[in-house]
Amino acid sequence: NAGVMQNPRHLVRRRGQEARLRCSPMKGHSHVYWYRQLPEEGLKFMVYLQKENIIDESGMPKERFSAEFPKEGPSILRIQQVVRGDSAAYFCASSLRGAGANVLTFGAGSRLTVL
Amino acid sequence: GQQVMQIPQYQHVQEGEDFTTYCNSSTTLSNIQWYKQRPGGHPVFLIQLVKSGEVKKQKRLTFQFGEAKKNSSLHITATQTTDVGTYFCAGPVRGAQKLVFGQGTRLTINP
Repeated sequence: NAGVMQNPRHLVRRRGQEARLRCSPMKGHSHVYWYRQLPEEGLKFMVYLQKENIIDESGMPKERFSAEFPKEGPSILRIQQVVRGDSAAYFCASSLRGAGANVLTFGAGSRLTVL
Repeated sequence: GQQVMQIPQYQHVQEGEDFTTYCNSSTTLSNIQWYKQRPGGHPVFLIQLVKSGEVKKQKRLTFQFGEAKKNSSLHITATQTTDVGTYFCAGPVRGAQKLVFGQGTRLTINP
């Protein structure tokens, strides 16, 4: 009974490169959330997706960031032309129904380092 | 926008001492959730409180939800080194299916 699977666990990129982070939700969960955690800081909501739909992307920077959750395959968070300030841990979480009444199950996170 | 505030930001205690973290929301919450993140780890769900004035216990951990459903606390009795980590409270955003997290309280323990 695998939980939320994220990969890669660690990713190093140089400024200007692209970062792709993948997340497979827990089995049976169709609601996916991405959170960003800067070093020594809290969890900031980025985006909420269901299959083939972006429900809420109010926490996503307007430029360079995008997310998708295709009909088949994992959810992907894509960061184009990375900058040093993008260095952070990116956590994916899933829930059975929308978070609020339901709790979140988090993946182990993808830690992005931008050189 | 809706905010959830936690205090203190950091707490250092001697092993065996008690620890409390407090959570305050700018709005009434339908429920409040608590998560623990070990150093280098990921947030793990601890508990959800739904009713006004609710108190729940998990061994040495006691969780409370305020009468007005705007605040909550987590109290750990006789801390152990395994309690080290950051404790986050989180509440649902009204009208949206997402959680807003407090900044967390980072607990360190002197053995």
